[in-house]
Amino acid sequence: AQSVTQPDIHITVSEGASLELRCNYSYGATPYLFWYVQSPGQGLQLLLKYFSGDTLVQGIKGFEAEFKRSQSSFNLRKPSVHWSDAAEYFCAVAPGMDSSYKLIFGSGTRLLVRP
Amino acid sequence: ETGVTQSPTHLIKTRGQQVTLRCSSQSGHNTVSWYQQALGQGPQFIFQYYREEENGRGNFPPRFSGLQFPNYSSELNVNALELDDSALYLCASSLDRNEQFFGPGTRLTVL
Repeated sequence: AQSVTQPDIHITVSEGASLELRCNYSYGATPYLFWYVQSPGQGLQLLLKYFSGDTLVQGIKGFEAEFKRSQSSFNLRKPSVHWSDAAEYFCAVAPGMDSSYKLIFGSGTRLLVRP
Repeated sequence: ETGVTQSPTHLIKTRGQQVTLRCSSQSGHNTVSWYQQALGQGPQFIFQYYREEENGRGNFPPRFSGLQFPNYSSELNVNALELDDSALYLCASSLDRNEQFFGPGTRLTVL
């Protein structure tokens, strides 16, 4: 069965520091991969996605992610964190050949930003 | 362009009751997906509707049912509510089952 693991429940970084959030997936073929952000009381906003091609993808708000097939990983990075980045981050996969395009989410990583 | 809207924002029900949650999809979108997000968890896929037909279902019992209307808005119905149904219910719309845009969710509390 497909699954997504986000091993870090909480991460705290200082404002201006770099950030990396980890995501590992389990799926037989190359899935579609996504990162979403959720602020308190809000829905999910798509940061970036990977379907195929260049394994380093750029997203909104200065985020990027790198797909590594050999490690089944899709880690999210940002070179300099801003206080407004404090939120919950979810990695998700969708089976590429499944027309229902259902998203399978990890359990999330809560990012705290120190001033 | 209006985004995805959901109603109500919050809802409190008691065990055994039935509930209907509503979702208006983004303009031009014909696909609606529903997710359940329990506290401290990631969202879980309930089902998807594409052009008024169910198009994929997650691991949820039949007491979770849905509808999609000709204007592509959607309803999620849950019968015989259980305490574990307490969660944030998220609706997402898309065009032809592509990138999903999420609404703010409905917070359901079952007492």
